[in-house]
This record gives sequence, structure tokens and C-alpha cells, in this order.
Amino acid sequence: DIQLTQSPSSVSASVGDRVTITCRASQDISNWLAWYQEKPGKAPKLLIHAASNLHTGVPSRFSGSGSGTEFTLTISSLQPEDFATYSCQHGHDLPFTFGGGTKVEI
Amino acid sequence: QVQLQQSGPRLVKPSQTLSLTCAISGDSVSTDGNIATWNWIRQSPSRGLEWLGRTYYMSEWSHDYALSLGSRITINPDTSKNQFSLQLNSVTPEDTALYYCARVRNRAFDVWGQGTMVTVSS
Repeated sequence: DIQLTQSPSSVSASVGDRVTITCRASQDISNWLAWYQEKPGKAPKLLIHAASNLHTGVPSRFSGSGSGTEFTLTISSLQPEDFATYSCQHGHDLPFTFGGGTKVEI
Repeated sequence: QVQLQQSGPRLVKPSQTLSLTCAISGDSVSTDGNIATWNWIRQSPSRGLEWLGRTYYMSEWSHDYALSLGSRITINPDTSKNQFSLQLNSVTPEDTALYYCARVRNRAFDVWGQGTMVTVSS
């Protein structure tokens, strides 16, 4: 199975900050990587698919980049509603697996 | 707007079968598998988010399951009700988790059910 390692596991930030989260894959997954936002009591919400494609309705302050084994999610200017956990997921082959998550907190 | 609505018991006894259903609105469980597949995922503190399996239609019905679950898992479509189900046999406390159904398009989970917290306990 492909392993996804996220860093950092948590980050402290303030409203207006630029935040970058990294996801590394254990093998080449081309651009088959997605990013999700998780909040307690709610289902994960898709932000980015195919490494850099913004999902419908997601604010443009979210962006994704990378290919192969290294990917990043960037929040250009953190908003109060962005404090959450962010997880990556590969779609290269089965089984789809997820990273361990990065908690963005104040 | 596509929505997934989950239903099923929240408490299951050890060794029994966990059964959940996911009703689809705004899409069809019979949508070509090149466009969408229908999946089950669970989340627990010990294992994080874990993909369990999927069903999809491409001239015939197909299924893929996580190898870690062996022969315990079955995912079935129900075209008459436009829904799909999860059955997990011989459950143990390690199967206690928050279970989600979700649609995959473009190899990402773009629509999710509301989640069902299932506890395995006597």
C-alpha cells in the first residue's frame, strides 16, 4: 500500500497567515492526490483534486501543487473558518489511503 | 446537488454483522464506473481514515475491497432504491469507528454521507 506522510502534524497560526502543509508519498503517484478539510462532527470536505484542481465552491485562498511524491497545500491568508485538520489522499491505485492529518490551530 | 444519506444501527454486538445503507439523491448508483464509484470509509483514532471498499457499474457490477478486511466485507448496490450497502461480518471492538459512504469522481471523494458512529460492544 502507498503510505502518505504529512508534515507538520500540527501548526499554530493566526488569521491572515500563509500556511503550507506537505504530503509525501512512498512512491510516485503522478498527480493523483486530493486534499480534505476535516472539522469535528462533520464529514471531510474535498478541497483539491488531482494535486492542483480546486473543487467546486472552494475559496481561491486554497491551492495545491506537486507531482510524483511531494505535494503541498497552501492557504494564502488564513480565515477563522479555516482552523481545522487537513488530510491528503492518493488515488493512484487501490487501496486509496490517507495521510495522518495536519491540525491547523491558533 | 448530490447527497448521500446513511442509515443503520449504531450498536452492534461482537461476532455479529454490521449493516449500513447509503441512499443516493441527485445521482445514480448505476452511473458508469468510469465516472463515479460508490465507497465506504471509516475513521478511528487508531487507524485514521481507512478506505474499506467500493462498488461500481461498467457493463456489469464490480466490487473492490480492502485486503485487510479479508472475506468479512460485502458492498452491494440496490438499483431499485438507488442506494448501496455495507455489510461487515464477525465484528470485534476494533471495528468501532465512524463510518462514511462517499462517491469517488476523478479519484477523489467528492461527496460524503453524514457519517454513522458504530460501536461494537456487548
